[in-house]
Amino acid sequence: QQQVRQSPQSLTVWEGETAILNCSYEDSTFDYFPWYRLFPGESPALLIAIRPVSNKKEDGRFTIFFNKREKKLSLHITDSQPGDSATYFCAASVSGGSNYKLTFGKGTLLTVTP
Amino acid sequence: GGIITQTPKFLIGQEGQKLTLKCQQNFNHDTMYWYRQDSGKGLRLIYYSITENDLQKGDLSEGYDASREKKSSFSLTVTSAQKNEMAVFLCASRWLGGSYEQYFGPGTRLTVL
Repeated sequence: QQQVRQSPQSLTVWEGETAILNCSYEDSTFDYFPWYRLFPGESPALLIAIRPVSNKKEDGRFTIFFNKREKKLSLHITDSQPGDSATYFCAASVSGGSNYKLTFGKGTLLTVTP
Repeated sequence: GGIITQTPKFLIGQEGQKLTLKCQQNFNHDTMYWYRQDSGKGLRLIYYSITENDLQKGDLSEGYDASREKKSSFSLTVTSAQKNEMAVFLCASRWLGGSYEQYFGPGTRLTVL
């Protein structure tokens, strides 16, 4: 059973458009949701993260919208730029205690066309 | 700042061969991880080590062994390489407390002939 699901698998948008990447999860005990970005040839790096105490987390052009009841979240990238082209991974974890694992989704490959 | 170093960068092996991948970090992080990245399958956790003398199996541990030699280093062994196997193995680390951010190394790309 896949704990963290991402859709779409790939997404192409025009420069300046808003890209919306979706993520859903199974385990209701998850309470930390980071998004990692992977540029070709580089290492994954943390982009933005949210905890369910809020429904929204914003950092510049990147915003996470979180719906705890439906166990869904989405990453919105406004004014998309060609430099945003990368694979985006949604992940989930139970914070605190003795759990140190992140469960990753399969990723969404975003292509921003000039 | 700090850095994670993975060696080798590229690893070509033969079917059935035992192969070892190495990871070093100078963040002074407590916890280290090994992930496998396959195209279309995301990042899957193989082994992790919470502290220096700890070793935990992840979701994909079968066929692998791991060793935390010291706080700064974590090795992964493919016990018997599978023919036509191709994947990128990523090492990561994080502090035990505080931020949950994991920092990733550049990866080792494995090809099995």
